[in-house]
Amino acid sequence: RKEVEQDPGPFNVPEGATVAFNCTYSNSASQSFFWYRQDCRKEPKLLMSVYSSGNEDGRFTAQLNRASQYISLLIRDSKLSDSATYLCVVIVNSGNTPLVFGKGTRLSVIA
Amino acid sequence: GAGVSQTPSNKVTEKGKYVELRCDPISGHTALYWYRQSLGQGPEFLIYFQGTGAADDSGLPNDRFFAVRPEGSVSTLKIQRTERGDSAVYLCASSDRGGGLTGELFFGEGSRLTVL
Repeated sequence: RKEVEQDPGPFNVPEGATVAFNCTYSNSASQSFFWYRQDCRKEPKLLMSVYSSGNEDGRFTAQLNRASQYISLLIRDSKLSDSATYLCVVIVNSGNTPLVFGKGTRLSVIA
Repeated sequence: GAGVSQTPSNKVTEKGKYVELRCDPISGHTALYWYRQSLGQGPEFLIYFQGTGAADDSGLPNDRFFAVRPEGSVSTLKIQRTERGDSAVYLCASSDRGGGLTGELFFGEGSRLTVL
């Protein structure tokens, strides 16, 4: 079983739609969680951290369910510029140990 | 430069050849990571340096792969006897000491390796 699993998509949504991505992780000792964004043929970049209490950054909301080992990302009012691959990322232990990436979920926002 | 720099950006080689990929991290970043990414996949961890030493090399697929960071700055990933399955984008990332907590790695644009 992969350490981090995501639905690869693609998710094709119209502008203005709300879309949610899910991610599950296998190691219950995982401590830190993040969403990265990767544009086509570009490098991944940190989008946001995921906190136990849930957190919001503008149109983006991230949530963590430790009991179910599940992370989500919600994007409201989708823009064309949101089209990218969204990577779920987990750190098992703190202290500069490697980040473990999921395969990513591809989003296409259509005019 | 301000960001992570990787060279070459593209490398085409023949099966069996030796390849070196270079990464110049952000100045002052003590942690350096190598990942590789195949089409349709997420980045796969290879090796991580803290300073000059390899803190974790558990992701290196076999002994054909080796990486060094002799002065704690620039790193070189070396691949011997390349195979077609080595074709991928090799990504380098760096972070400061807090990167493991903030989760923020700064990636270079990658070196695209094609083994014919």
